[in-house]
Amino acid sequence: GIQVEQSPPDLILQEGANSTLRCNFSDSVNNLQWFHQNPWGQLINLFYIPSGTKQNGRLSATTVATERYSLLYISSSQTTDSGVYFCGIEGAQKLVFGQGTRLTINP
Amino acid sequence: SQTIHQWPATLVQPVGSPLSLECTVEGTSNPNLYWYRQAAGRGLQLLFYSVGIGQISSEVPQNLSASRPQDRQFILSSKKLLLSDSGFYLCAWSYGAGGRAYFGPGTRLTVL
Repeated sequence: GIQVEQSPPDLILQEGANSTLRCNFSDSVNNLQWFHQNPWGQLINLFYIPSGTKQNGRLSATTVATERYSLLYISSSQTTDSGVYFCGIEGAQKLVFGQGTRLTINP
Repeated sequence: SQTIHQWPATLVQPVGSPLSLECTVEGTSNPNLYWYRQAAGRGLQLLFYSVGIGQISSEVPQNLSASRPQDRQFILSSKKLLLSDSGFYLCAWSYGAGGRAYFGPGTRLTVL
């Protein structure tokens, strides 16, 4: 099956810093999505991005499907950005996830 | 608009007891439905997915089962819970294969 690897596993930053999270996948996929899990466990879909680049406020994402990776950029981090970020890959009707990146933003 | 519900929000059960977790989706038809478990740590483990009524695919052999008795209802069950079944159970839906996915609020299960 599809393998999904996220890096780094943990990231600790000061408020205002920028960060880049990476997702590598092992096979061609139908789509790729980025999610944020807040400290209460709720998962929010940030981007649906099978290819190309999208931006939403301070967040942006880029997927290069031919090279099998995606990047999530967070600029001017805020404490509310803390949580775990997941990359989800859909292939053969299944949606599978990497192990996530735990981001901690300190005030 | 579409909404996904899960209940209960929290559950404490003794080892060997049965389990039934329910997930329902409103505002859409024929969604793909998924059950995930998040154990201590952060990974999301896909347990079951369904592309239609009565169609269940299992990803991990274990003492859990899933059913989809109605188009927008997905149920996770167990006849006898194990300590290792503790975790955070999440239901998700998407518009068919490849659609954007949305998660429910989850159920925190503790097996004692």
